[in-house]
Amino acid sequence: KAGVTQTPRYLIKTRGQQVTLSCSPISGHRSVSWYQQTPGQGLQFLFEYFSETQRNKGNFPGRFSGRQFSNSRSEMNVSTLELGDSALYLCASSLDQGSKSAYTFGSGTRLTVV
Amino acid sequence: KNEVEQSPQNLTAQEGEFITINCSYSVGISALHWLQQHPGGGIVSLFMLSSGKKKHGRLIATINIQEKHSSLHITASHPRDSAVYICAVCNNNAGNMLTFGGGTRLMVKP
Repeated sequence: KAGVTQTPRYLIKTRGQQVTLSCSPISGHRSVSWYQQTPGQGLQFLFEYFSETQRNKGNFPGRFSGRQFSNSRSEMNVSTLELGDSALYLCASSLDQGSKSAYTFGSGTRLTVV
Repeated sequence: KNEVEQSPQNLTAQEGEFITINCSYSVGISALHWLQQHPGGGIVSLFMLSSGKKKHGRLIATINIQEKHSSLHITASHPRDSAVYICAVCNNNAGNMLTFGGGTRLMVKP
């Protein structure tokens, strides 16, 4: 079966712009979570969606937002980009929350803000 | 102090050696995950544990809930095991969101 698909794989944006990243989960998975990975901070949780509802949000500013559609596909949006937003953005899908089922990760979107 | 601590941060081993990576956490958890990340960024989920021990091929993961500690063991290590290994916990006090350790960078030399 197809894995978790993230698009685009690479992205270069200018400070002040906004960006939208997409994540298509494994068929049947209803939970999608997003993570930011930087060399300085490591992996950090952004938010989690389940059945189109945000279930959890990490400690990130309001410039970071997301949504989930009825087919479980999810998007995250970052507005007014800053240089520090340069990172690898990963999404993961699971049947339920990670306390009940394992995650499958996508390959990530590498965002560079210049 | 970080809620999830891994040791060692870096590890170099010779092919065939037995490897142990440790993870200690300070929060209440409902599950613990071991992840593997290869250069290029892709992450693979190795284990999800809430108690006891799990084995998959040459990999073994254990967890001691009372001591808040987990270990990942690799038997008969191979150069293809070279990767970053990350421990992540489902934090009971934070809606079960994942909190990550800093990772252990493993290099296995032939």
